Amino acid sequence: AQKITQTQPGMFVQEKEAVTLDCTYDTSDPSYGLFWYKQPSSGEMIFLIYQGSYDQQNATEGRYSLNFQKARKSANLVISASQLGDSAMYFCAMREGDDYKLSFGAGTTVTVRA
Amino acid sequence: GAGVSQTPSNKVTEKGKYVELRCDPISGHTALYWYRQSLGQGPEFLIYFQGTGAADDSGLPNDRFFAVRPEGSVSTLKIQRTERGDSAVYLCASSLIWEDSSYNEQFFGPGTRLTVL
Repeated sequence: AQKITQTQPGMFVQEKEAVTLDCTYDTSDPSYGLFWYKQPSSGEMIFLIYQGSYDQQNATEGRYSLNFQKARKSANLVISASQLGDSAMYFCAMREGDDYKLSFGAGTTVTVRA
Repeated sequence: GAGVSQTPSNKVTEKGKYVELRCDPISGHTALYWYRQSLGQGPEFLIYFQGTGAADDSGLPNDRFFAVRPEGSVSTLKIQRTERGDSAVYLCASSLIWEDSSYNEQFFGPGTRLTVL
């Protein structure tokens, strides 16, 4: 079974608007961490934001925020005030328990229009 | 400071040949990871090192793939008898390890694009 599901293969967003990228996850371990990475066309993976399973508050990092709904097993990324430089592939990933490896979703391509 | 570096950035080889891909992690990072990313997909885990030893090699697809990290720093991913299906971007990442934490942010290198003709 897929550990991370990203159902939106591609999205368009107008500059300065907000966009929400969906991510659902599957784990039976009570301790886990959720990560979002950005991958521009240059190919490098850039860490954006992290949410731990025991964190009481939703994570925020500048224009990035994570809408963490534990009961629904979802960890959606919200990018506010989109910029042209936000055009990239975005990946949701999870680390479970004592396991250090990351399991990635298939990604969502975001295209910001001027 | 310097990030994770990978060499070569591109490698073109012929089916059946042997290739080596190198990863230089961030200095001081004890953990090193290899992932493979096929076109249009998310990275898939291959192997993870803690120090010199492979702590988890469950993602290696078959015995043609092997990786080493002899001195606990630089790592080499080795692929024998390459096949066209091995064509992908091979990503390396490194991290510190904080026990009792699910964080342990992984820092990725730029990847090596392998093309098997």
